[in-house]
Amino acid sequence: DAGVIQSPRHEVTEMGQEVTLRCKPISGHNSLFWYRQTMMRGLELLIYFNNNVPIDDSGMPEDRFSAKMPNASFSTLKIQPSEPRDSAVYFCASEGGGQPQHFGDGTRLSIL
Amino acid sequence: AQTVTQSQPEMSVQEAETVTLSCTYDTSESDYYLFWYKQPPSRQMILVIRQEAYKQQNATENRFSVNFQKAAKSFSLKISDSQLGDAAMYFCAYRSGTDSSYKLIFGSGTRLLVRP
Repeated sequence: DAGVIQSPRHEVTEMGQEVTLRCKPISGHNSLFWYRQTMMRGLELLIYFNNNVPIDDSGMPEDRFSAKMPNASFSTLKIQPSEPRDSAVYFCASEGGGQPQHFGDGTRLSIL
Repeated sequence: AQTVTQSQPEMSVQEAETVTLSCTYDTSESDYYLFWYKQPPSRQMILVIRQEAYKQQNATENRFSVNFQKAAKSFSLKISDSQLGDAAMYFCAYRSGTDSSYKLIFGSGTRLLVRP
């Protein structure tokens, strides 16, 4: 199995620009999670999808953040407009069939 | 609300020696899961070991084992015969066992240094 695939691996952009992070979960997994990791706050859950439906988005910091899962094999996390404080590592994870969450390699986002 | 505490920001071990990383948690639930994840400098989050709370037997994965003390709400990770590749951040995580639960709650992490 290819594991959870995230792209891009690194993203550097100027504040105010739109950022889109992508995730392909493990085939057969019906749950998908977006996490953010920062030095100050550690690992935080942003949003959780089950069977492509957003179940809990209480961790999304503000309206500038949005996430979609149009099908079982693809999800996006979008920030518009981006701000320097959004700089972090963003992880996607998927889960299913009684297996624990498996994480992608993360996207390191730097907003200048 | 559940919390996970890792009180050791950093630990150091000599190669081939044994080290134990501490984790405590707070919950009122009786059914839950506990995990240790490893994050090397490459920043991948790699599952090391998993423990179901209803199991009394401590989980073991090769050189990695846990000491699960349910009454004390303690879940320590023991790494035997430490190798240079074990150097990483280690995160303890909790997950409720209820069907509607999904969230992993992470501790703040312990950085493990391995001395050659």
